[in-house]
Amino acid sequence: NAGVTQTPKFQVLKTGQSMTLQCAQDMNHEYMSWYRQDPGMGLRLIHYSVGAGITDQGEVPNGYNVSRSTTEDFPLRLLSAAPSQTSVYFCASSPWRGGSTDTQYFGPGTRLTVL
Amino acid sequence: SQQGEEDPQALSIQEGENATMNCSYKTSINNLQWYRQNSGRGLVHLILIRSNEREKHSGRLRVTLDTSKKSSSLLITASRAADTASYFCATGTYSGAGSYQLTFGKGTKLSVIP
Repeated sequence: NAGVTQTPKFQVLKTGQSMTLQCAQDMNHEYMSWYRQDPGMGLRLIHYSVGAGITDQGEVPNGYNVSRSTTEDFPLRLLSAAPSQTSVYFCASSPWRGGSTDTQYFGPGTRLTVL
Repeated sequence: SQQGEEDPQALSIQEGENATMNCSYKTSINNLQWYRQNSGRGLVHLILIRSNEREKHSGRLRVTLDTSKKSSSLLITASRAADTASYFCATGTYSGAGSYQLTFGKGTKLSVIP
């Protein structure tokens, strides 16, 4: 199993550009989520999903869109990049059984710089 | 806003000593988890403790949870240089059908000196 994979590893954007961060998992996990980590900070939840076709907002959703068309993939779209979105982005997944979950499995992260 | 707050922010100890990190949170939770992050890498899950549990062990790790004080502690015994990393507590909360959020603290940076 590859676990949780994220592409790209690094990305530089100009203000106003859009892009999609890819996240995929091969563990058949229903629950997937996106976090951002700024220097000296913990992770903050952007969006999450408890299954295909279901998404919900986290703590810092503004400026980001998500969709979940398959169990495996959970892409994160930056609509119009801003310097404030410079951060490291982590995707995570976990089983979702009977409305509960526990251990999150994290991807290696995407380091995004917006100029 | 961040739910969990770790204390201390940084901790430096000698190899073989024990390391204790604390986490406080503000609202009711369903579970509390601890994660480790090596520099520039993703997070690795260490241990989960549910709100109805008081103590849990995993190898050299011991986690306690006091829901009345809204606090948790992570103890790493007989530390090794390889334990050098940042440690985060994360509180898990269910808020309705199909809703679960994990909220992280800012972390404790642990340095174990050989």
